[in-house]
Amino acid sequence: GAGVSQSPSNKVTEKGKDVELRCDPISGHTALYWYRQSLGQGLEFLIYFQGNSAPDKSGLPSDRFSAERTGGSVSTLTIQRTQQEDSAVYLCASSPTASYNSPLHFGNGTRLTVT
Amino acid sequence: SQQGEEDPQALSIQEGENATMNCSYKTSINNLQWYRQNSGRGLVHLILIRSNEREKHSGRLRVTLDTSKKSSSLLITASRAADTASYFCATGPLMDSSYKLIFGSGTRLLVRP
Repeated sequence: GAGVSQSPSNKVTEKGKDVELRCDPISGHTALYWYRQSLGQGLEFLIYFQGNSAPDKSGLPSDRFSAERTGGSVSTLTIQRTQQEDSAVYLCASSPTASYNSPLHFGNGTRLTVT
Repeated sequence: SQQGEEDPQALSIQEGENATMNCSYKTSINNLQWYRQNSGRGLVHLILIRSNEREKHSGRLRVTLDTSKKSSSLLITASRAADTASYFCATGPLMDSSYKLIFGSGTRLLVRP
């Protein structure tokens, strides 16, 4: 079946512009995660959605970052007034349930470059 | 902040040799997972070990967990060039109220043919 799909795969934007990154999780997966990975680094947790529960936004680095998940499926990560330090690969993952025993399925990410 | 830290940061071995990567973490965990990332791709889940388990095998992979030392190791036996990738451990903090996985900084493995 289809895996996690992210779009666009690459995005180049000018400093100060807003960007939207999209994630289509695997159908039926109730948990959805956003992570950020800077070049050669590990993954930085950003936000986590589980069903209809309030999202865990504890990893969002500033109020310029926001995310929503409509209808329990597609998610959009929005970065307002982008800065050069926002340049990174943004990875989305989904899992069947909200459980530590449920492995994450990752998309291939969106590479964001802020010039 | 990073929950898990892998070492070494980079490892280069000859095809056929074994590769060992270590992960240390800070807080009590529910389980620990290992993931693999090929260049330019997303992460792929390899293996999960629960906090009450000490060792787990999957094909050429062997994972150990020592909760007293807050550490885990991933052993890849009889390595192949195709094993070249970055490997990450990820933990689920036991006391956290949400199920967010926290990833370490990764080990970059190069298997020379």
